[in-house]
Amino acid sequence: GQNIDQPTEMTATEGAIVQINCTYQTSGFNGLFWYQQHAGEAPTFLSYNVLDGLEEKGRFSSFLSRSKGYSYLLLKELQMKDSASYLCAAKDSNYQLIWGAGTKLIIKP
Amino acid sequence: GAVVSQHPSRVICKSGTSVKIECRSLDFQATTMFWYRQFPKKSLMLMATSNEGSKATYEQGVEKDKFLINHASLTLSTLTVTSAHPEDSSFYICSARGTSGPDTQYFGPGTRLTVL
Repeated sequence: GQNIDQPTEMTATEGAIVQINCTYQTSGFNGLFWYQQHAGEAPTFLSYNVLDGLEEKGRFSSFLSRSKGYSYLLLKELQMKDSASYLCAAKDSNYQLIWGAGTKLIIKP
Repeated sequence: GAVVSQHPSRVICKSGTSVKIECRSLDFQATTMFWYRQFPKKSLMLMATSNEGSKATYEQGVEKDKFLINHASLTLSTLTVTSAHPEDSSFYICSARGTSGPDTQYFGPGTRLTVL
């Protein structure tokens, strides 16, 4: 079956760095997405990886290793507004998104 | 760019009534739109894929007659929850697939449905 695993919850300190891991098992692979979702709101697009390596976008970076079925989202210089759920989603051979359950990130002062 | 609107943002209705939710892509044409349902602290659950001008493709376990989807134009898809019951109370989110870039889905702000 198809599956996305990511930690349920993580806690980090304001100003620090946090890495949210995601492992995936899908029938085929056509890219991996990270979305941010604040409570009560819809997800917003953060990043997309389809080739191995690191994609940097400001304070956020996303890494992909296709051979390991693994990705991570790296958040630097954490701010209180980064408190949210972070959803990992992989696109399978049918170009359908398979969603993880999300990682709730709690930022403490 | 790539803005998706959803209306209403919040609706409360009585059991047995029908509720229509609209999803619009405001600044791009979306041949494909998706309807999701999300329970508290849970991930997104894809309900159906809506293609303009054709019948929606429903995911397993989603009742077609209860969740009616219409995608009449390249910028509008609607979800009608028919004969709503309290267990239909949920957060419903639509997304539209962009026409350029990495095939990203852009989400509407969601509709909070409460059935009394």
